[in-house]
Amino acid sequence: TQLLEQSPQFLSIQEGENLTVYCNSSSVFSSLQWYRQEPGEGPVLLVTVVTGGEVKKLKRLTFQFGDARKDSSLHITAAQPGDTGLYLCAGGKAAGNKLTFGGGTRVLVKP
Amino acid sequence: DAGVIQSPRHEVTEMGQEVTLRCKPISGHNSLFWYRQTMMRGLELLIYFNNNVPIDDSGMPEDRFSAKMPNASFSTLKIQPSEPRDSAVYFCASSPWTSGRDEQFFGPGTRLTVL
Repeated sequence: TQLLEQSPQFLSIQEGENLTVYCNSSSVFSSLQWYRQEPGEGPVLLVTVVTGGEVKKLKRLTFQFGDARKDSSLHITAAQPGDTGLYLCAGGKAAGNKLTFGGGTRVLVKP
Repeated sequence: DAGVIQSPRHEVTEMGQEVTLRCKPISGHNSLFWYRQTMMRGLELLIYFNNNVPIDDSGMPEDRFSAKMPNASFSTLKIQPSEPRDSAVYFCASSPWTSGRDEQFFGPGTRLTVL
């Protein structure tokens, strides 16, 4: 069974602080994606990483894929209230196959 | 280009009634996925199709659930008869077959309440 474990499950921080969310598995994935979901909406794709050790930046968000392609992290610098939401990681094996989703990390950034 | 379209956005029904959820995937996408999301269980994959063919329906909870994809631009998820424990948000997602990637694009969801 492929499992993706996300930690922490919930994070509450003040505006301006930094945060890191982790996504870990014992399985190797060909790609790993991060999604953000806001209340009442569907998950929105933030980034896809496919190469071991790859680092991608999206404004204040930094995503890293582990060297062995089994884990990933999302780091937010100087968090803002607009970063509030449910962050989901998902691992894929190949195009045309289902994704394995983590349980999600609920982030609350207080002004 | 329009994203994934789902209808209705909200559905309230009584136990025992038939419920049909609809999805229009993004044009040109080859795969379509149906998910269910609850606070207790998170996001669960129910079934997915490749080129309109069901590939894996192991997540469909019971025979009361069925899904069809008659063509590349339309899919339905039907619950008959519905039960209160089916209350959840149901998402449809579609995915292109870009080499090495399996990115999914989600619709806005249908919030189902079964009384």
